[in-house]
Amino acid sequence: DAKTTQPNSMESNEEEPVHLPCNHSTISGTDYIHWYRQLPSQGPEYVIHGLTSNVNNRMASLAIAEDRKSSTLILHRATLRDAAVYYCILRDPTITNRDDKIIFGKGTRLHILP
Amino acid sequence: KAGVTQTPRYLIKTRGQQVTLSCSPISGHRSVSWYQQTPGQGLQFLFEYFSETQRNKGNFPGRFSGRQFSNSRSEMNVSTLELGDSALYLCASSLEGRGRTEAFFGQGTRLTVV
Repeated sequence: DAKTTQPNSMESNEEEPVHLPCNHSTISGTDYIHWYRQLPSQGPEYVIHGLTSNVNNRMASLAIAEDRKSSTLILHRATLRDAAVYYCILRDPTITNRDDKIIFGKGTRLHILP
Repeated sequence: KAGVTQTPRYLIKTRGQQVTLSCSPISGHRSVSWYQQTPGQGLQFLFEYFSETQRNKGNFPGRFSGRQFSNSRSEMNVSTLELGDSALYLCASSLEGRGRTEAFFGQGTRLTVV
């Protein structure tokens, strides 16, 4: 079972901000929150990751709730090129046995309207 | 800096045959992970290698195997191919894996079993 929950799809207008939510109510204290996106006919692409504090990079911002049970990926100004499936996943770097199953889930398909 | 390279890009095999796929990670990366992507199941984790050792394995039958060489290049093998093995196979490399750092994906190998 997926450890994260995301809406199946979302729509946004071009040049407007987009907020993509992710729920991870069973997150552990050592789980990192990662976001990847997959454009059509391409492999997934890293977007951003964080542990507790909000994070910013050239692609996006990651807002993490204080209780860490949810997070939001923010695209500040969506372009048509941002149309993709966005995946939110958890990774625990402290797991040293073979129980660390990396689960992508179905992700959110983001549609950008021109 | 060269990205993750997967070869071949496309492959057609017959049921019962075996296939070997190759992944060359980014220079300096020691962790390589493999994923299977199908329309019905989405992205599913196969296994992860680090410094030539399999560190983690998903829920796939023993027909799926892999290995990593001393230069971090990795191969995965699928024996006795079934129609259901038709999928996009993706590999990802990262500095150390386990989620502390981002992973970079290749373009994938599209395997069709007929």
